[in-house]
Amino acid sequence: TQLLEQSPQFLSIQEGENLTVYCNSSSVFSSLQWYRQEPGEGPVLLVTVVTGGEVKKLKRLTFQFGDARKDSSLHITAAQPGDTGLYLCAGAYQAGTALIFGKGTTLSVSS
Amino acid sequence: NAGVMQNPRHLVRRRGQEARLRCSPMKGHSHVYWYRQLPEEGLKFMVYLQKENIIDESGMPKERFSAEFPKEGPSILRIQQVVRGDSAAYFCASAEQGLENSPLHFGNGTRLTVT
Repeated sequence: TQLLEQSPQFLSIQEGENLTVYCNSSSVFSSLQWYRQEPGEGPVLLVTVVTGGEVKKLKRLTFQFGDARKDSSLHITAAQPGDTGLYLCAGAYQAGTALIFGKGTTLSVSS
Repeated sequence: NAGVMQNPRHLVRRRGQEARLRCSPMKGHSHVYWYRQLPEEGLKFMVYLQKENIIDESGMPKERFSAEFPKEGPSILRIQQVVRGDSAAYFCASAEQGLENSPLHFGNGTRLTVT
């Protein structure tokens, strides 16, 4: 079974702190996506990374794809309460296959 | 441009009844995916459909579950003779292309409760 492992599972921090969440697999991805999901809603795409070593920035969020395309990280700078949510990584192992999701990291940012 | 629409938002069924979940993809999207989500288990892929065709149903239970995406109308996920273990949030997503790096646009899900 191909798995995407996300860590930590839960993270509770204060407003203004920095944090990093991780997404790892033993297999190589053709691409990887990060989503954010709020309670009662569907996941919303944040970013897609395709190239090994790629770094993408979205305001205070920085996404990195590992050189070997087996892992990815999401770094949030100066977290805000609005960043609270479930962060999911998803990847496809081969072309034409559906996305496989990790279990997610539940982030809680308190003011 | 309306997003992915799922209905109903909440569905309660007694054991043994049938559940029908509907999904209207975004305009112009012909690829539909169904996922099931349980607390602390993440999103589990169920089935991938393109208009009138099932492309990948490797995540669908072999019995009681079926899905369709007709030429006209929404995609339907059908669960026959529901059991308590079917209680979950079911999400539909659509994409413009079936490529692995195509973004998925999710609906807000149908929460099925089996009593």
